[in-house]
Amino acid sequence: EAGVTQSPTHLIKTRGQQVTLRCSPISGHTSVYWYQQALGLGLQFLLWYDEGEERNRGNFPPRFSGRQFPNYSSELNVNALELEDSALYLCASSFRSGYNEQFFGPGTRLTVL
Amino acid sequence: QQQVKQSPQSLIVQKGGISIINCAYENTAFDYFPWYQQFPGKGPALLIAIRPDVSEKKEGRFTISFNKSAKQFSLHIMDSQPGDSATYFCAASDNQGGKLIFGQGTELSVKP
Repeated sequence: EAGVTQSPTHLIKTRGQQVTLRCSPISGHTSVYWYQQALGLGLQFLLWYDEGEERNRGNFPPRFSGRQFPNYSSELNVNALELEDSALYLCASSFRSGYNEQFFGPGTRLTVL
Repeated sequence: QQQVKQSPQSLIVQKGGISIINCAYENTAFDYFPWYQQFPGKGPALLIAIRPDVSEKKEGRFTISFNKSAKQFSLHIMDSQPGDSATYFCAASDNQGGKLIFGQGTELSVKP
């Protein structure tokens, strides 16, 4: 069974640009979560999507947004990039809302110059 | 309070020894406590998880001990091996928002 996949693996952007990260959950999973892992800040919850709806978001500005498609894949969009957005962005999936086990993908490493 | 506090920040253990990592939480609504293992350049991998209705759960060399009254839980790695060298994260969830609240991580190094 294939795990959570994310693309691209690495990305380099400059301040002010916009970026889109992609995630495909484990087959059969309907919930997708996004986390930011910045150096020294640990893993911070960003967004949760389930059945195409945004269910919860963490303490991040509105320039962080996303969506979930009918096939349960998801995109994370970050507008007006700032230097402190440099981080590993991790996507996780779970079987469905209410199932706690979250399985993570390999992440997308974003560098903002 | 939504925080999960993890200690120590780093840990060096000899091969064959026991590695112990501790976490504490404040939110009594948390009802799911997983541990994740992360190797450099990889995403976190779910190791083992526990719910408050049991005090201990063992899977192979990995054991979670849970103390509900103290609001603490810990990961024990028995017979630690160099291949266990990684960063370990504890986490907690109350299942209201789906999100996991992570501890700050422990960098484990197992010396041969």
